[in-house]
Amino acid sequence: DVKVTQSSRYLVKRTGEKVFLECVQDMDHENMFWYRQDPGLGLRLIYFSYDVKMKEKGDIPEGYSVSREKKERFSLILESASTNQTSMYLCASSLTSGSSYEQYFGPGTRLTVT
Amino acid sequence: GENVEQHPSTLSVQEGDSAVIKCTYSDSASNYFPWYKQELGKRPQLIIDIRSNVGEKKDQRIAVTLNKTAKHFSLHITETQPEDSAVYFCAASSWGKLQFGAGTQVVVTP
Repeated sequence: DVKVTQSSRYLVKRTGEKVFLECVQDMDHENMFWYRQDPGLGLRLIYFSYDVKMKEKGDIPEGYSVSREKKERFSLILESASTNQTSMYLCASSLTSGSSYEQYFGPGTRLTVT
Repeated sequence: GENVEQHPSTLSVQEGDSAVIKCTYSDSASNYFPWYKQELGKRPQLIIDIRSNVGEKKDQRIAVTLNKTAKHFSLHITETQPEDSAVYFCAASSWGKLQFGAGTQVVVTP
């Protein structure tokens, strides 16, 4: 059974704190993605990774960084959290090969920055 | 880059009626068009997808159509049921990176 997990469902942090969000998949997928979801804006891609130690900027990378040291784990880092980073963060993974680019999503982390 | 527009943003339908959601995309290189359903408090899940070499695909009560020339694709849900109430996202992709639409909140009223 496909499984993507995220380290926290809810997180409250203060402005200026360094925040780590972790995502783990057990499907041996090459690709991993971080999105943020805000009402009326859909899912916006922050960063993605096609392989270990590889990373590519998505549409809204400012204020974020990522780390992929192992194939199954993809971390999103907020270097200095700000209130406009309050959002739902979703991780996803997918295969590179095959007939489908289906992305499997984690349950999400609702981050509140005060 | 790719830009996907989705309409309407909200859709209220009577149980048993049909629902149609429309999306347009900008990048002619996009070749994969999935639709995701997100129920309240849950993660998005793929419900149907279509590739650019296919014009229409159907799976029970849901169907997707693609018009490559006009760069638009649509989701059709027939005989809607209360469990179809959710947010639906269209997306367009080339090489595995998805660009999502803003989403459509579908409410099915008994």
